[in-house]
Amino acid sequence: EIVLTQFPATLSVSPGERATLSCRASQSVSTNLAWYQQKPGQSPRLLIYAASTRATGIPASFSGSGSGTDFTLTISSLQSADFAVYYCQQYINWPYTFGQGTRLEI
Amino acid sequence: QLQLVESGGGLVRPGGSLRLSCAASGFSFSDYYMSWIRQAPGKGLEWVSSISMSGGTIQYADSVKGRFSISRDNTENSLYLQMNSLRVEDTALYYCTRDLIDVADYWGQGTLVTVSS
Repeated sequence: EIVLTQFPATLSVSPGERATLSCRASQSVSTNLAWYQQKPGQSPRLLIYAASTRATGIPASFSGSGSGTDFTLTISSLQSADFAVYYCQQYINWPYTFGQGTRLEI
Repeated sequence: QLQLVESGGGLVRPGGSLRLSCAASGFSFSDYYMSWIRQAPGKGLEWVSSISMSGGTIQYADSVKGRFSISRDNTENSLYLQMNSLRVEDTALYYCTRDLIDVADYWGQGTLVTVSS
């Protein structure tokens, strides 16, 4: 099973600042990596797939990069609506696995 | 618009059974893989099971293999999860998801399963 480690566990930033979230895989997943956002009391929402492709309706302020074992989700200018928990997910091998999440807080 | 509506959750004793359902609308259900993903209270996400468009390809997490069974009815636009021999650690919010090349691009609101004596 591929283990995904997200860091930091919690990231404190201010509105308008840039946020960089990381995800590291225990073995190469090529670019078979997705990012999700989950706000309190809501279902997760797909942000990025194939490491860098934005899902439908996701603003350009969200960008993904990386390949192999190291990946980054960048939010270029944080808005209040962006404060949430973010998960990465690999889908190169079954079982598909998620990271433990990064909480983005003010 | 696209909707995924789960039902069937509830309180069950360890060793018991439940059948979850997911009613899909707003898209061509038979054209997509579908999955169940769960989230224990205050915890992260776990991909439980996935089923192909025709139902011919099915996968399970090791944690549920042999106890859970996924199925679908393309004539009814519905996805199911039969859960047997339930354990306390199966307690979670169970989400029905539509799959886009192995990522969950749409999620339902979830149905809560609580396993407790």
